[in-house]
Amino acid sequence: QQQVRQSPQSLTVWEGETAILNCSYEDSTFNYFPWYQQFPGEGPALLISISSVSDKKEDGRFTIFFNKREKKLSLHITDSQPGDSATYFCAASPEAGNYKYVFGAGTRLKVIA
Amino acid sequence: AQTIHQWPVAEIKAVGSPLSLGCTIKGKSSPNLYWYWQATGGTLQQLFYSITVGQVESVVQLNLSASRPKDDQFILSTEKLLLSHSGFYLCAWSPLGVYEQYFGPGTRLTVL
Repeated sequence: QQQVRQSPQSLTVWEGETAILNCSYEDSTFNYFPWYQQFPGEGPALLISISSVSDKKEDGRFTIFFNKREKKLSLHITDSQPGDSATYFCAASPEAGNYKYVFGAGTRLKVIA
Repeated sequence: AQTIHQWPVAEIKAVGSPLSLGCTIKGKSSPNLYWYWQATGGTLQQLFYSITVGQVESVVQLNLSASRPKDDQFILSTEKLLLSHSGFYLCAWSPLGVYEQYFGPGTRLTVL
């Protein structure tokens, strides 16, 4: 049962454009949503995260928008750079004390110079 | 600063052979520890987690087992490998009471 869905599966943008990566979930007990960036052959790196009490989280060129009612969130990467080309995973975790994490299938981003 | 080390970097093993993968966290006491499996081009599937020495919880059954013999060490193993065990194995840690997870460099396993 896939509880976290990501779209699109792959995305190509030009350098300088804004890339928008989408994520949705089903389980209303999820309340923490980290995004990870993974380059080929490497472990994922935590990029930015948001909790369900917030509707927006910004860190430099990366912004998460969160809609709790619709169970949707999106990652916006502004001024995209070729170095941002990677796979991005949305993940979700339930309430405190539950150590289970669910990851989406990932979005493969390619930024063309 | 915390560092996470996984060993070996890569393994090529035969079907039916045993396996042991390791993970060590340095610079952080009593971390929560996790094992993940990732198929090539796939998502991350959580396998196990441990919040204290000697205690490991299974998240999904894949004919694998895990142990935490020391506070900073997490071991993944099986007595008999299957072709389906091939993939990328990732160890992760999180500070006590914190949601953020930090991943190690991973071990690439090929089962032939």
